[in-house]
Amino acid sequence: DTEVTQTPKHLVMGMTNKKSLKCEQHMGHRAMYWYKQKAKKPPELMFVYSYEKLSINESVPSRFSPECPNSSLLNLHLHALQPEDSALYLCASSQVGGGKGQPQHFGDGTRLSIL
Amino acid sequence: DAKTTQPTSMDCAEGRAANLPCNHSTISGNEYVYWYRQIHSQGPQYIIHGLKNNETNEMASLIITEDRKSSTLILPHATLRDTAVYYCIVLGVGGSNYKLTFGKGTLLTVNP
Repeated sequence: DTEVTQTPKHLVMGMTNKKSLKCEQHMGHRAMYWYKQKAKKPPELMFVYSYEKLSINESVPSRFSPECPNSSLLNLHLHALQPEDSALYLCASSQVGGGKGQPQHFGDGTRLSIL
Repeated sequence: DAKTTQPTSMDCAEGRAANLPCNHSTISGNEYVYWYRQIHSQGPQYIIHGLKNNETNEMASLIITEDRKSSTLILPHATLRDTAVYYCIVLGVGGSNYKLTFGKGTLLTVNP
């Protein structure tokens, strides 16, 4: 079991649908992340939120829209996705900086399939 | 952040120590060495990290060479459940603190 909870675990959607992925943590972490992982590839960073503000966007297409409504929740809104967006979407959280090296803690992801 | 080099795959017998090497010859003074693993169908799991000194926790030990150009993750008594892809990542603190860049990692297979 992980301390970062992602829902749903699986999602199948059509290219015209709108859906959202949800991530929740209660460890008091103020940095939250979205990663994308294609099959047999390592995870790739998409977005970073620090203190509920977007701090890094790794040139992600606008059909992916992140949202951090509070310090415990992170959403990823999906619209007009393409089949190549099918992947495992991972959420992570960590303490913010501090100069001591703060590890990130991951959820088990949402496996997304685009029809 | 410095690049890392890891073997593509390794095998280990159950109950024996698993020693996973990582080269990071371009590491700079303020960069940490992190180890994560990913078991099939799960998210990455943080294992351990260190700056200069060797580190040990309930999961593993991290040995960093004196020149910091390489490190070894040691799982003292490997079990079948340790079969996973192990990622060695070098990460600087400060402005780039948040950007974990995963390489291809090492697939460790623990055999009965």
